[in-house]
Amino acid sequence: AQSVTQPDIHITVSEGASLELRCNYSYGATPYLFWYVQSPGQGLQLLLKYFSGDTLVQGIKGFEAEFKRSQSSFNLRKPSVHWSDAAEYFCAGGTYSGGGADGLTFGKGTHLIIQP
Amino acid sequence: DVKVTQSSRYLVKRTGEKVFLECVQDMDHENMFWYRQDPGLGLRLIYFSYDVKMKEKGDIPEGYSVSREKKERFSLILESASTNQTSMYLCASSFAADRSYNEQFFGPGTRLTVL
Repeated sequence: AQSVTQPDIHITVSEGASLELRCNYSYGATPYLFWYVQSPGQGLQLLLKYFSGDTLVQGIKGFEAEFKRSQSSFNLRKPSVHWSDAAEYFCAGGTYSGGGADGLTFGKGTHLIIQP
Repeated sequence: DVKVTQSSRYLVKRTGEKVFLECVQDMDHENMFWYRQDPGLGLRLIYFSYDVKMKEKGDIPEGYSVSREKKERFSLILESASTNQTSMYLCASSFAADRSYNEQFFGPGTRLTVL
């Protein structure tokens, strides 16, 4: 069965420190992969996406993610976090099965806390 | 910019009431989705639709129904609201998978409280 796992429920990082949020996937074929961010009380905003090609993808707000097929991972990184990065982060994956509405499978989310 | 709007940000209803949550998208997307989001459980798919008048059950359809009479509008219906349906409800839309890679665009969410 297809699955997306975010092993860390909460992560606390000091402002200015680097960040890595983990995401592992389990799919029969190479999935499409996404990272979304959700600020308190808001909907989900797309940070970045991977379809194919270059395994290091750049996103908005200074985020990047690297697709590693050998590790079945798509970890999100940022070199220096800002207090405004405090939010819930969701990794999601999907595949194209040839028709209909192919949905996304979401991880359970990682809650990022920024310490002053 | 893609815009997905939801009719209410906050809604309070009583047990047994019929509840309608409305979602409208302005990008001519074929697909539309309804999720509920609960702490520790992430997003769970309730229903989705890939065309007008078409609907498919997601992972947790029990207690819900949907309606899609027009391409841009997708309604979630709670026939008889119960307290365990208190949640954040998120609507999303996307182009057909063969030209969108399933990238979904989300509305701001409706926080529903059932008393």
